[in-house]
Amino acid sequence: DGGITQSPKYLFRKEGQNVTLSCEQNLNHDAMYWYRQDPGQGLRLIYYSQIVNDFQKGDIAEGYSVSREKKESFPLTVTSAQKNPTAFYLCASSPGDSGNTIYFGEGSWLTVV
Amino acid sequence: QKEVEQDPGPLSVPEGAIVSLNCTYSNSAFQYFMWYRQYSRKGPELLMYTYSSGNKEDGRFTAQVDKSSKYISLFIRDSQPSDSATYLCAMSERGNNNDMRFGAGTRLTVKP
Repeated sequence: DGGITQSPKYLFRKEGQNVTLSCEQNLNHDAMYWYRQDPGQGLRLIYYSQIVNDFQKGDIAEGYSVSREKKESFPLTVTSAQKNPTAFYLCASSPGDSGNTIYFGEGSWLTVV
Repeated sequence: QKEVEQDPGPLSVPEGAIVSLNCTYSNSAFQYFMWYRQYSRKGPELLMYTYSSGNKEDGRFTAQVDKSSKYISLFIRDSQPSDSATYLCAMSERGNNNDMRFGAGTRLTVKP
């Protein structure tokens, strides 16, 4: 079954701890993205990668880090430097960065207490 | 002022009603306009994609863009309970995914 798999679906962490969210795609897409979704706000781009071993900051990259060592995988680390990490995180992929044909995973809910 | 404004609702309509969902925007450079549907606790899925001004129809869905007014709409005809979801508008200047700007979403409930 082709698609984007995010894990875990729900995650609770204590303040001050780093946490890594997994994103795997088997669509053979070159481009991958991480968004954050908060109530009352539109999706905001955290990081994106157009090709393996390369990634760029989005609009709200502070307090986050990513890696793109494999085409299929784009994990997101929420560091302790992120001031308000509780949110719904969405991973997405696309054949390329142009065309606005973006496919989303089912999301990961992160709650920091 | 937000770059993309969308009334969050919630909007509740009876089954069979025509639904109108709208977004306004401030950036006149936006040329690509999208509507996504997001079911509860799921990722968004692309519904409609339009370039520049005009209308586009796909089944029960019609997307309308009025660039002169900086206003876009999504109409749903013969609405069904399965249409109950949050609808997000999105737009971009260059047609690149990394420059998309999203509205906050309108939550729609279609009652049987």
